Amino acid sequence: QKEVEQNSGPLSVPEGAIASLNCTYSDRGSQSFFWYRQYSGKSPELIMFIYSNGDKEDGRFTAQLNKASQYVSLLIRDSQPSDSATYLCAAHEGGGSEKLVFGKGTKLTVNP
Amino acid sequence: GAVVSQHPSWVICKSGTSVKIECRSLDFQATTMFWYRQFPKQSLMLMATSNEGSKATYEQGVEKDKFLINHASLTLSTLTVTSAHPEDSSFYICSARVTAAYEQYFGPGTRLTVT
Repeated sequence: QKEVEQNSGPLSVPEGAIASLNCTYSDRGSQSFFWYRQYSGKSPELIMFIYSNGDKEDGRFTAQLNKASQYVSLLIRDSQPSDSATYLCAAHEGGGSEKLVFGKGTKLTVNP
Repeated sequence: GAVVSQHPSWVICKSGTSVKIECRSLDFQATTMFWYRQFPKQSLMLMATSNEGSKATYEQGVEKDKFLINHASLTLSTLTVTSAHPEDSSFYICSARVTAAYEQYFGPGTRLTVT
């Protein structure tokens, strides 16, 4: 059973702080990883994807991938109340599949 | 980014009737689309993978005769919930995969309520 594990939270940080969201995956064959943001009552929105080991930065967001440790993280710098949402980590299933395996999500609250 | 639309955004229907939900990729061609269901405060559940011009592949436990999926073109997939019952009430979300990449872009979702 291929799994993506996330701490469900809630994770609470003050405005302006760095929020750190983590995820581990079970399938060593996974090569592509994604972070989605889902506001309450809305559908998921893709915010980052990462394929290679190391860091990938996009604005206030940095995704980090460590394939040896099977670990993916998302850092949000200068957190804003508007970042309050559930963050879903996903891994491409690999092995010729087109599917993504999603974690259950981490709920982030940024306090003003 | 790639834009996916869904229609309708919400629908209320009576038990026993059928409901069709459309999913369109607006600015790209999607050879593969996916249908998910999400109950309140629960995680996404993949229902089926839909490839243009071929039959959908359903996940274990999803009734293919109840949830009919048609992917007739590179920009349109439809999900029909047949003989809907109150337990089918949920948030149905489609996504589309960009060709030659693995990221999926989600539509805004359709909230179905069966009375």
